Amino acid sequence: NAGVMQNPRHLVRRRGQEARLRCSPMKGHSHVYWYRQLPEEGLKFMVYLQKENIIDESGMPKERFSAEFPKEGPSILRIQQVVRGDSAAYFCASSGQGAGYEQYFGPGTRLTVT
Amino acid sequence: GENVEQHPSTLSVQEGDSAVIKCTYSDSASNYFPWYKQELGKRPQLIIDIRSNVGEKKDQRIAVTLNKTAKHFSLHITETQPEDSAVYFCAATPDYDKVIFGPGTSLSVIP
Repeated sequence: NAGVMQNPRHLVRRRGQEARLRCSPMKGHSHVYWYRQLPEEGLKFMVYLQKENIIDESGMPKERFSAEFPKEGPSILRIQQVVRGDSAAYFCASSGQGAGYEQYFGPGTRLTVT
Repeated sequence: GENVEQHPSTLSVQEGDSAVIKCTYSDSASNYFPWYKQELGKRPQLIIDIRSNVGEKKDQRIAVTLNKTAKHFSLHITETQPEDSAVYFCAATPDYDKVIFGPGTSLSVIP
């Protein structure tokens, strides 16, 4: 059973470009969470999605950031017009039953904005 | 919203000694408290968790205690080993939609 997969593992973007981060949850998991981790800081909740639904996006910046989890395919975190402050590790996690149960994390995507 | 604080931010112990990390939370509705370990450059991994109807849980060298009245919970690692060196995050779930993490504790076990 493959774990949570994220790609790309490393992404370099110039200021103003778009970044697309992909996350495939563990097989059988329908709950997906995105977190941002700045260097030497904790994990900040961004958004919680189920298939075709955004359940809670209270941690996501109102502008430039969007997320989706379509019926088919991976969940995608999209950052438009990236700025240097977006440089961080973005982790995706999945669970089988929601936030009150173990979350399995992907390896993360390290975004660098130059 | 929920706020999770964690202390200390860094902790150094001699191999074989015990390590204790303490967390407090603000939302009395939180009922699930996981602990994650993150090694340098790796993904966070669950090491132990506790629910609000339990006061203590133990798994080999790791134990967690929960005081719901005081809204604090702690991680105890006994007989520490160099491979325990990592960043440890506590977390709380104020509802079924999100997990709020503490800022982390960097543990160094000195051989």
